[in-house]
Amino acid sequence: AQTVTQSQPEMSVQEAETVTLSCTYDTSENNYYLFWYKQPPSRQMILVIRQEAYKQQNATENRFSVNFQKAAKSFSLKISDSQLGDTAMYFCAFMTHLQGGSEKLVFGKGTKLTVNP
Amino acid sequence: EPEVTQTPSHQVTQMGQEVILRCVPISNHLYFYWYRQILGQKVEFLVSFYNNEISEKSEIFDDQFSVERPDGSNFTLKIRSTKLEDSAMYFCASTQGYQPQHFGDGTRLSIL
Repeated sequence: AQTVTQSQPEMSVQEAETVTLSCTYDTSENNYYLFWYKQPPSRQMILVIRQEAYKQQNATENRFSVNFQKAAKSFSLKISDSQLGDTAMYFCAFMTHLQGGSEKLVFGKGTKLTVNP
Repeated sequence: EPEVTQTPSHQVTQMGQEVILRCVPISNHLYFYWYRQILGQKVEFLVSFYNNEISEKSEIFDDQFSVERPDGSNFTLKIRSTKLEDSAMYFCASTQGYQPQHFGDGTRLSIL
């Protein structure tokens, strides 16, 4: 069974600084997707960034980038120039394929990030 | 940008009552999902739905739960006889397949 581990329950960072959130996962699959979702206090689930396992290049979305280490099964999220609006719960998720072409997401327990002014 | 919409945003129900949570997935999506998040815990997969039938369900999704796509747009989750431990945030998600899942804003279900 696939598992996702986020070892940092809480983190804080000063505004404008850089922070890295860690995530490791376990799978026997070779082709899969990894995601970071952001959940602000309003509790919406917002996609931050995704990575296809077959791509060696790390994904980047503006201030958000990942360090994907497939052999180590590690998928960390780096947030540069942190902003107050980045304060949220961040969930790492692994997408596993189901029968019939659908998929399901397996989530980690989340890291609560606080950006301090 | 198209969105997944969920109604109601907050549902309060007496224990033992039936509740139906509603979702309107993105119109050209083919795969539909329900997830649950108990307060302070991680998001958990409940069920996936494709081609008018359940593709997979988790161990959480017992006989008290059912899903339905009654027309071309709505996707519903029914809990037949609610229990206190059903109190959670319920998220609907949809995708075209092999793409990121788009989540709705969730329905907060409170069982009294």
